[in-house]
Amino acid sequence: EVQLVESGGGLVQPGRSLRLSCIASGFTFGDYGMSWFRQAPGKGLEWVSFIRSKAHGGTTEYAAAVKGRFTISRDDSKSIAYLQMNSLKTEDTAVYYCSRDGSGSYSLGRILDYWGQGTLVTVSS
Amino acid sequence: DIQMTQSPSAMSASVGDRVTITCRASQGISNYLVWFQQKPGKVPKRLIYAASSLESGVPSRFSGSGSGTEFTLTISSLQPEDFATYYCLQHNNYPWTFGQGTKVEIK
Repeated sequence: EVQLVESGGGLVQPGRSLRLSCIASGFTFGDYGMSWFRQAPGKGLEWVSFIRSKAHGGTTEYAAAVKGRFTISRDDSKSIAYLQMNSLKTEDTAVYYCSRDGSGSYSLGRILDYWGQGTLVTVSS
Repeated sequence: DIQMTQSPSAMSASVGDRVTITCRASQGISNYLVWFQQKPGKVPKRLIYAASSLESGVPSRFSGSGSGTEFTLTISSLQPEDFATYYCLQHNNYPWTFGQGTKVEIK
């Protein structure tokens, strides 16, 4: 069974850092790109970042709102994707979700088909 | 960046109604479009991928169509469990972008 489990959220002061983890199981993690999304309270969904599989270069993409502050990475040996969030702002307050993207190695049928339950990040003084 | 204009932003409908939600992309995205359903406090659920392919296990009353810049999600006969917010997402170009969402409420 495919599972994605996020952790690492919490209350943090503006300007501080937090690292989110997305632990994957039930599929060949290394074959998939991984994305982070977020949803501020009462707002819509927003894509945050993406990391390609090693086979596709392991390169990364970022939304403009987080570029230079957030860093996505992966540890295929542990089947974990990370989101390091630095210089946090109040507007980063949201539920953060991870999801998988198998479109590079498989087909469009395996893009964003599974999501984690989300982890809440609250940035407030 | 590609802008996804989703309409309507909200609608009231009755059980049994046919519902149509539209997403327009500011430039062509081929068929790199996904539709999600989200209920309050829940994780987004993929309904449609590749613009028109139905997710396994999703009822056949849901359908997607379109290519290029114009896309449609149709619910042929609205059921009580379909009251939710629906989002489109383009993944043709980075940054990936969502529509603003359509909240489908009970009339």
